Amino acid sequence: QVHLVESGGGVVQPGGSLRLSCEASGFSFSSYGMHWVRQAPGKGLEWLAIIWYDGTTKYYADSVKGRFIISRDNSKNILYLEMNSLRAEETAVYYCARDLYGRSGFSDLWGQGALVTVSS
Amino acid sequence: EIVLTQSPATLSLSPGERATLSCRASQSVSRYLAWYQQKPGQAPRLLIYDASNRATGIPGRFSGGGSGTDFTLTISSLEPEDFAVYYCQHRSTWLLTFGGGTTVEIK
Repeated sequence: QVHLVESGGGVVQPGGSLRLSCEASGFSFSSYGMHWVRQAPGKGLEWLAIIWYDGTTKYYADSVKGRFIISRDNSKNILYLEMNSLRAEETAVYYCARDLYGRSGFSDLWGQGALVTVSS
Repeated sequence: EIVLTQSPATLSLSPGERATLSCRASQSVSRYLAWYQQKPGQAPRLLIYDASNRATGIPGRFSGGGSGTDFTLTISSLEPEDFAVYYCQHRSTWLLTFGGGTTVEIK
């Protein structure tokens, strides 16, 4: 069974930091690009970042560039999202997702999501 | 940034009816467009990629079309499980964006 499981969500104060993890299983993690996407309560989807299969290339949405860092450890099958200077409006469910065929830009496998609440 | 505008915002239909959803891009995305379905409390599911290719396991009643700036997702005959929110997404540049979504609700 192919799976993505996010962890690390929780409550953080405005201006604070948090690191999300996404553990992959059931497929060759090191062969796929990976994405982070978020969804604020009752709102639509917002793409955040992609990292190439080998970690050499990363792209970010303008809204998080310079504050969020996507990374991966292919030896552990884990994807990360380091989030800094968090804002209240970034309260959302954060999803990790597998790229369809490496770096297509589309996501064919999603985790269940991790809730991040930014509040004092 | 390429803006994707989906219409209508809400589509009220009955099971068995045909649904046609629209996604318009602010500039050409060639055929680099996907459609996702999302049900309450669930992660999105990829339906269509590269404008018209069905993803693995997606029923034949779902079809996609279009190129450039105008795209459609058609559900030929709505099943009860198809009532959900649908999003389009482009990958024309590496600044990916999603549309605002269309809710397909039971009439």
